[in-house]
Amino acid sequence: QQQVKQSPQSLIVQKGGISIINCAYENTAFDYFPWYQQFPGKGPALLIAIRPDVSEKKEGRFTISFNKSAKQFSLHIMDSQPGDSATYFCAAKGHYGQNFVFGPGTRLSVLP
Amino acid sequence: NAGVTQTPKFQVLKTGQSMTLQCAQDMNHNSMYWYRQDPGMGLRLIYYSASEGTTDKGEVPNGYNVSRLNKREFSLRLESAAPSQTSVYFCASIVRINTEAFFGQGTRLTVV
Repeated sequence: QQQVKQSPQSLIVQKGGISIINCAYENTAFDYFPWYQQFPGKGPALLIAIRPDVSEKKEGRFTISFNKSAKQFSLHIMDSQPGDSATYFCAAKGHYGQNFVFGPGTRLSVLP
Repeated sequence: NAGVTQTPKFQVLKTGQSMTLQCAQDMNHNSMYWYRQDPGMGLRLIYYSASEGTTDKGEVPNGYNVSRLNKREFSLRLESAAPSQTSVYFCASIVRINTEAFFGQGTRLTVV
């Protein structure tokens, strides 16, 4: 019940295209859903996060869509750029829990 | 303002050797974490410290010990390294529940 599932494992997109990464969770106590971006040799860095009281959050080219009833959330990267090539992790955390639960990651490659 | 600093960045150990991974944050954060990252498995929590003076086990604590030396520093010790502990280790900190986690640059550990 603590698991967060993430797909696809890897994704190749042409420059200017839309990248979509999906995550699903089981634990209804989760109430904070961040996405982290990680470049090779670096630590993960927060990209965007959402709480379950909203269905969508947009920051620049990055949008999180959240479906509370389906227990699913997704990251959309519009107008994907080669500089977006990285590994993306979704995560979930409950208010009273101390642990972020991470998905296994999606390696995104944006072709020039 | 350095954020989260980990040392060393790289380390090779022989089976049975011991070592301590150091982590320090200068953001006055209360909670600190140690994760390991393995291909296809995301980030798995080893130990965490909700506040100075407290530590708790995470998902994969076997073979590790931790010390929250003060509010800034949280160290991870491998008493007798095993090849299964070959991984990239990340330290992270958060100021309070359900806010951004800040990660260090990671320590790449190889046990031969």
